[in-house]
Amino acid sequence: NAGVTQTPKFQVLKTGQSMTLQCAQDMNHNSMYWYRQDPGMGLRLIYYSASEGTTDKGEVPNGYNVSRLNKREFSLRLESAAPSQTSVYFCASRPQGVVTAEQYFGPGTRLTVT
Amino acid sequence: DAKTTQPTSMDCAEGRAANLPCNHSTISGNEYVYWYRQIHSQGPQYIIHGLKNNETNEMASLIITEDRKSSTLILPHATLRDTAVYYCIVRVGNAGNMLTFGGGTRLMVKP
Repeated sequence: NAGVTQTPKFQVLKTGQSMTLQCAQDMNHNSMYWYRQDPGMGLRLIYYSASEGTTDKGEVPNGYNVSRLNKREFSLRLESAAPSQTSVYFCASRPQGVVTAEQYFGPGTRLTVT
Repeated sequence: DAKTTQPTSMDCAEGRAANLPCNHSTISGNEYVYWYRQIHSQGPQYIIHGLKNNETNEMASLIITEDRKSSTLILPHATLRDTAVYYCIVRVGNAGNMLTFGGGTRLMVKP
């Protein structure tokens, strides 16, 4: 299994440009998450999807939209990028039917907005 | 979620046990203790979790005090590859499933 994969690995945007970060998992997990990590900081939750067809806001949703395309894929869209969105973005997934909150993370997308 | 307190940084000699403490004095009865680590530039990696009892897996051991107000993650034979930031997270299981990552402990394993 590839686990959680993210594309692209690196991206540079100009202020106002848009882009979509892609995430896919091949573990048949129900729940998926998008986090951001600013330099020297812990991760903060942007959005999550508890199951296919549902999405919910996390701690820092402003400036982002998400789509749970199917059970495997969960994308994050920046409609009009701002320098404050320069960060590393991590996608994660979690298996269904477990009591605890063990999550599996992808390798991250490093985004710079100039 | 219960708040956690961890030291900002720790050093450990290669081959020795690394003991990483975490205080969670406001933990409630249905909250689990999770440990994750993040090696530089990579996504976080799940290590272990526990509720009341001590736990051990192939990566580490988790010791939870009887009153559950603190815990210790033990890496029995630290290697240079264990250099990472270690996060202690307290969370109710299966409740929104969101994880809140604080500052963590930066463990430096030295030769």
